[in-house]
Amino acid sequence: SQQGEEDPQALSIQEGENATMNCSYKTSINNLQWYRQNSGRGLVHLILIRSNEREKHSGRLRVTLDTSKKSSSLLITASRAADTASYFCATGGLTGRRALTFGSGTRLQVQP
Amino acid sequence: DTGVSQDPRHKITKRGQNVTFRCDPISEHNRLYWYRQTLGQGPEFLTYFQNEAQLEKSRLLSDRFSAERPKGSFSTLEIQRTEQGDSAMYLCASSLGLRTDRTNYGYTFGSGTRLTVV
Repeated sequence: SQQGEEDPQALSIQEGENATMNCSYKTSINNLQWYRQNSGRGLVHLILIRSNEREKHSGRLRVTLDTSKKSSSLLITASRAADTASYFCATGGLTGRRALTFGSGTRLQVQP
Repeated sequence: DTGVSQDPRHKITKRGQNVTFRCDPISEHNRLYWYRQTLGQGPEFLTYFQNEAQLEKSRLLSDRFSAERPKGSFSTLEIQRTEQGDSAMYLCASSLGLRTDRTNYGYTFGSGTRLTVV
């Protein structure tokens, strides 16, 4: 079963626009991570946010976390065609003993 | 280290045959994970090791599946008596252990082994 649900399932934008993806989860977490996957490849770690953090930035990425709503968002600013990929959120449990649980992903298409 | 390596990249097998996949993690990573991913879905957890100890197994891991990490380095995932429903991408990842605040480190994934059962 998958803990996280991303919204929207698919998103198509023009180059230069911002892309926002949302993730909701069900159980209490220690941290939430975002990954990118290009078609047919493995996943690449993008950014991690701890449960006591509300916002984190890395380059063109901005992640927010609202533990009261059990939700997170990933914003990609000034998108590029190379950002075309699937994006997944993954949650880590409170004790850290369990492996990360991944959501079902948002497929982002950036049109040049 | 160039990252996590998985072998083979692709495997086509007939239903009922056994298959084995190999994963070589980043050498200093003590945690190694196996996930399965079908088209359009996120990775589903199968099992993970900390060093050579198998610490968690998913209910998805039926008795036809077995994983080993005998010396705490590389790992193998074997599927016996394959079924068409086993067709998927099998992903391996590795990471360092937990931080002191129990935060997971980010995972480094391999490129996966795509299994097709015909």
